[in-house]
Amino acid sequence: KQEVTQIPAALSVPEGENLVLNCSFTDSAIYNLQWFRQDPGKGLTSLLLIQSSQREQTSGRLNASLDKSSGRSTLYIAASQPGDSATYLCAVNNQAGTALIFGKGTTLSVSS
Amino acid sequence: DTAVSQTPKYLVTQMGNDKSIKCEQNLGHDTMYWYKQDSKKFLKIMFSYNNKELIINETVPNRFSPKSPDKAHLNLHINSLELGDSAVYFCASSQGLAGVGTDTQYFGPGTRLTVL
Repeated sequence: KQEVTQIPAALSVPEGENLVLNCSFTDSAIYNLQWFRQDPGKGLTSLLLIQSSQREQTSGRLNASLDKSSGRSTLYIAASQPGDSATYLCAVNNQAGTALIFGKGTTLSVSS
Repeated sequence: DTAVSQTPKYLVTQMGNDKSIKCEQNLGHDTMYWYKQDSKKFLKIMFSYNNKELIINETVPNRFSPKSPDKAHLNLHINSLELGDSAVYFCASSQGLAGVGTDTQYFGPGTRLTVL
């Protein structure tokens, strides 16, 4: 049974720092992996999706990597800003058209 | 031009009542989902429909009944509401075909259900 773990559960950094959020999954036979952002009381915004055949994806200051064989993904945020404060969720999809399996998230706080 | 929309956004009701949450997607996707986010913010799948047919039905009480009148809509009806049903319910959709595209899942804004 696929399980997704995110470390750390919470992270506080000063503005401008580069940071890494970690995600691990127990079954390496995934179809894709998505990183989401959730602001308090809001829905989920998809940040990046990495297909199983890919190693990384980049969008602006965000870079997500995938090491399928070791069951790990990282989300790298460069030059963090207070507006990056949110909960970041990692989710894996074992097959197209099936449900995402979520980690419990990392709550990021960036202070100015 | 909202891709995945849900109504209502907030729902406050008494124990024992029956309520429905509606979801619509205008992305032309084949697959729709209902997820539940509990008080600890953990998101978990409840149901999945592909082309109006039930695909996934996790261990959810049979008081919860999804209904898909067409491919663009997936509604969630809940009978005899209990205190433990209080949560945020998210609808999502994806293309859903193996090997086609990335199958990114798009989420609605959520419905915050409070049972008193």
